[in-house]
Amino acid sequence: AQSVTQLGSHVSVSEGALVLLRCNYSSSVPPYLFWYVQYPNQGLQLLLKYTTGATLVKGINGFEAEFKKSETSFHLTKPSAHMSDAAEYFCAVSDLSSNTGKLIFGQGTTLQVKP
Amino acid sequence: EPEVTQTPSHQVTQMGQEVILRCVPISNHLYFYWYRQILGQKVEFLVSFYNNEISEKSEIFDDQFSVERPDGSNFTLKIRSTKLEDSAMYFCAGLGLAGANSYEQYFGPGTRLTVT
Repeated sequence: AQSVTQLGSHVSVSEGALVLLRCNYSSSVPPYLFWYVQYPNQGLQLLLKYTTGATLVKGINGFEAEFKKSETSFHLTKPSAHMSDAAEYFCAVSDLSSNTGKLIFGQGTTLQVKP
Repeated sequence: EPEVTQTPSHQVTQMGQEVILRCVPISNHLYFYWYRQILGQKVEFLVSFYNNEISEKSEIFDDQFSVERPDGSNFTLKIRSTKLEDSAMYFCAGLGLAGANSYEQYFGPGTRLTVT
């Protein structure tokens, strides 16, 4: 069975600092990996995805993530945090083994950006 | 850009009542899903729907839950007799399998269900 672990339920950074949100996965098949962002009282918005090909993927709002198979990781980074980045971030893996494509989410990481 | 819509945005109901949550997915999507998020917890898969039938359901999706897509447009989640623990945000999502956006699930804004 596939699973996702996000290390750190809360991350606090200063505006302009590097953002690093950690995600590790467990999968018996090559994974499809996603990062979603959830702003307060809103739905889930896709930031970026990895399916195949280039392991460094770029998403919206300056975020990127690198798929590292050897480390079973898919950490999310952004060089310089903005106040508007404060939100909940979810890492997810698509359960391709089930043939339904359902997403399995991590617990989420709340990103706080301090002025 | 097409989007997934959900109604209502907030539903308050009494324990034991039936509720129907509605979703209008993006028209060319093929797979449809319901997820829920209890306050402060992670998003959990409930059910997937393909070709007018349930393709997979989680252990949360018991006999009190049902889904249907009656008119090829709306996708509904019904909870027959709500319990306090059904209070959560419910998200509808759709998946297209073709093109650059394949394997991306598009989520609606959610319906916040409060059971009192």
